[in-house]
Amino acid sequence: SYELTQPPSVTVSPGQTARITCSGDKLGDKYVSWYQQKPGQSPVVVIHHGSRWPSGIPERFSGSISGNTATLTISGTQTLDEADYYCQTWDSGTASDVFGTGTKVTVL
Amino acid sequence: QLQLQESGPGLVKSSETLSLTCSVSGGSISSGNYFWGWIRQPPGKGLEWIGSIYYSGRTFYNPSLKSRVTIFVDTSKNEFSLLLNSVTAADTAVYYCASRLSSSPTSKYDSWGQGTLVTVSS
Repeated sequence: SYELTQPPSVTVSPGQTARITCSGDKLGDKYVSWYQQKPGQSPVVVIHHGSRWPSGIPERFSGSISGNTATLTISGTQTLDEADYYCQTWDSGTASDVFGTGTKVTVL
Repeated sequence: QLQLQESGPGLVKSSETLSLTCSVSGGSISSGNYFWGWIRQPPGKGLEWIGSIYYSGRTFYNPSLKSRVTIFVDTSKNEFSLLLNSVTAADTAVYYCASRLSSSPTSKYDSWGQGTLVTVSS
């Protein structure tokens, strides 16, 4: 089965840049979405199709893909960005959605 | 934007069938070429995709759950449902329904329900 691997945690100081990676076989050939999930809440998409913003998402969130790795970048990180982040893609080989293992972002 | 709301028993006995329904409001479940999906999250763990159904009725299931899962749509009630049989404690999770407002499975999940906790008891 297809797998997406993320680092368990990322710590960043307020105002600095946080980078969250997501690795998977030939991920650069796929479309990747990123979801933010705060405690007790449902996930919210922050990036889709690798680098596009849904309406209402601040531009400090950005996405990129190169080779086997997708990256979510949060520029000028704010305390309200503290959350779990999940990458997600569609694997045509298995006709399945796949979520990454998740990354907890701590701002302090 | 659509609103989704999960409903169903919060407690299911081991070996029985988990049954959840997602009610859709703010639009018709049959009005577009959309996907309707189920995702779950065990306590303290990550998201796991269970499966989805296209407006045409075609279903897609997580290979690891495929033998136990059924997803179907009831257009008369504007809702879609999940059945997961032979449950065990490992199926204890918050279950989310979600919509993908696109005809492409590569697009994002736009709207999510609030989630409902289902506990499997022995």
